[in-house]
Amino acid sequence: EPEVTQTPSHQVTQMGQEVILRCVPISNHLYFYWYRQILGQKVEFLVSFYNNEISEKSEIFDDQFSVERPDGSNFTLKIRSTKLEDSAMYFCASSPVLSGRGLNTEAFFGQGTRLTVV
Amino acid sequence: AQTVTQSQPEMSVQEAETVTLSCTYDTSESDYYLFWYKQPPSRQMILVIRQEAYKQQNATENRFSVNFQKAAKSFSLKISDSQLGDAAMYFCAPNTGNQFYFGTGTSLTVIP
Repeated sequence: EPEVTQTPSHQVTQMGQEVILRCVPISNHLYFYWYRQILGQKVEFLVSFYNNEISEKSEIFDDQFSVERPDGSNFTLKIRSTKLEDSAMYFCASSPVLSGRGLNTEAFFGQGTRLTVV
Repeated sequence: AQTVTQSQPEMSVQEAETVTLSCTYDTSESDYYLFWYKQPPSRQMILVIRQEAYKQQNATENRFSVNFQKAAKSFSLKISDSQLGDAAMYFCAPNTGNQFYFGTGTSLTVIP
């Protein structure tokens, strides 16, 4: 069964360092998402990406964050200068593109990358 | 912004019994979809069931069913014949566009 894969599973980084979280979406999917979940809190939307550009982003997704699809298979989330409060589980998800607003399909989630900023 | 309320932070159920997890949401959209995701300790988000807002018939998926009340903006999940493997965090997640809106989750414990 196709699945979304994320690497690494756990990343520890020093405050102020740049990190890149990697995701390989399901191959025929065209919508991609990043979500994050601070420990013990709810899952928060960061950004959605379609046709090589950002479709929507939340207020969390500030200038420190960027996304890229560098080679047609990977989908990356970069945090330029990490802060302690960036420590969270980051989930990548993908869904196939459909007509209209792509509503009627679930997103397939990866297993997440636990980011720890020290 | 869409708000999603899961008023039960924790629930427990005896194995083989039935449990209902509640969810209410707020949206001005008329066309949308609703999802329940399960997050076991492994932390992966797994789809449990989905419901199209334009359909009056409640979705069912084996032991899982929903009670969707569109006017009340309520979307509860019923788990029948609960199993130990059902123990997880459950998130209600409407989708009205290009993103999912997640509730705060309900942690379900299954008691053997």
